[in-house]
Amino acid sequence: QKEVEQDPGPLSVPEGAIVSLNCTYSNSAFQYFMWYRQYSRKGPELLMYTYSSGNKEDGRFTAQVDKSSKYISLFIRDSQPSDSATYLCAMRGRDSSYKLIFGSGTRLLVRP
Amino acid sequence: DTGVSQNPRHKITKRGQNVTFRCDPISEHNRLYWYRQTLGQGPEFLTYFQNEAQLEKSRLLSDRFSAERPKGSFSTLEIQRTEQGDSAMYLCASSFDSNTEAFFGQGTRLTVV
Repeated sequence: QKEVEQDPGPLSVPEGAIVSLNCTYSNSAFQYFMWYRQYSRKGPELLMYTYSSGNKEDGRFTAQVDKSSKYISLFIRDSQPSDSATYLCAMRGRDSSYKLIFGSGTRLLVRP
Repeated sequence: DTGVSQNPRHKITKRGQNVTFRCDPISEHNRLYWYRQTLGQGPEFLTYFQNEAQLEKSRLLSDRFSAERPKGSFSTLEIQRTEQGDSAMYLCASSFDSNTEAFFGQGTRLTVV
């Protein structure tokens, strides 16, 4: 079993929809949680960075962390065709190595 | 452009050849990381540097792989005697310290034929 599980999709939604992306994890030592967006053949782009549990909002993006359930989410409001990409969750513990553990990514397609 | 820079962007090589990739981190970032990503998977950690010191290596980093970061600036990742299984995207990332977020470069896509 992988430490981080993520549904690969693809997830297809109409423009303007609210998108919900999720990851589950098994390692209770994870403290830092990130969401990256990756366009085809490009490097991952950091979208959200959160520490421990709670919510964080940035524009159309909201990240939620529920450590008791070992479950994190990314919500995208008013989705746009330009949001079509692969979304990767990543997480790490509090040790100093900054070794990120990634999910396998969810492909999102926003239809015009 | 002040982001993480990787060169080359693409590399096609014959099996058995050696290849070297370069990463220039964001200025003043002390930490530099190498990851490998295969198709349909998330990036996997390979190694990281704190300034010029290589502090951790994944078991994915076989003896054919070597990474350096002379003077704590740019880094190189060399793969000797490449195999078809080495075909992947090699990603470099940097961060200011262990508590701040890491930013990735655009990656070097390696194809071994």
